[in-house]
Amino acid sequence: AQKITQTQPGMFVQEKEAVTLDCTYDTSDQSYGLFWYKQPSSGEMIFLIYQGSYDEQNATEGRYSLNFQKARKSANLVISASQLGDSAMYFCAMREATSGTYKYIFGTGTRLKVLA
Amino acid sequence: DAGITQSPRHKVTETGTPVTLRCHQTENHRYMYWYRQDPGHGLRLIHYSYGVKDTDKGEVSDGYSVSRSKTEDFLLTLESATSSQTSVYFCAISGTLAGRQETQYFGPGTRLLVL
Repeated sequence: AQKITQTQPGMFVQEKEAVTLDCTYDTSDQSYGLFWYKQPSSGEMIFLIYQGSYDEQNATEGRYSLNFQKARKSANLVISASQLGDSAMYFCAMREATSGTYKYIFGTGTRLKVLA
Repeated sequence: DAGITQSPRHKVTETGTPVTLRCHQTENHRYMYWYRQDPGHGLRLIHYSYGVKDTDKGEVSDGYSVSRSKTEDFLLTLESATSSQTSVYFCAISGTLAGRQETQYFGPGTRLLVL
């Protein structure tokens, strides 16, 4: 069954340093999408970055990049130059096709705390 | 911002009563989803819809039903609320907004407390 695993319940990073949040996935589909979302303490879910299974280059969006290693089935999020506002919960998700319809499955999340 | 609203935003109810949560979108997207968020579990899919009157179950659908009679509205009903259904409920749509990558866009969430 398709599954997303985030093994880091919580992480700390010093301001201005880079941090990597881990995500591994399991799927038998050839075509899938991988996503990262941020949830600050205010509760809203914010889309950060997307990687398609056929994309040959790693996705980047500003300070966010996705380290996609297809053979290892990993899709780690890298945040460069961490800021205090990056403190939040981060969720990895995968879009899967089931009987011609699309569902998203989520990991359990990683809580990131940026230290001043 | 994606045009997704949820109502109510907060609700307190008693065990055994029916509860209906509403999700409304102004984006005319085909797919709509209901999730619940609980500590340690991330977001878990309850039900989703891929068109008017077309719905399917997610991983935690027991005790919940949904309806979608028009594109813009997706209703989630707790038929007889239990304390285990105390949670934060998120609605999401899936599509492309303003030329950006197709992804899910979330409503603000509904906090439900079942006493």
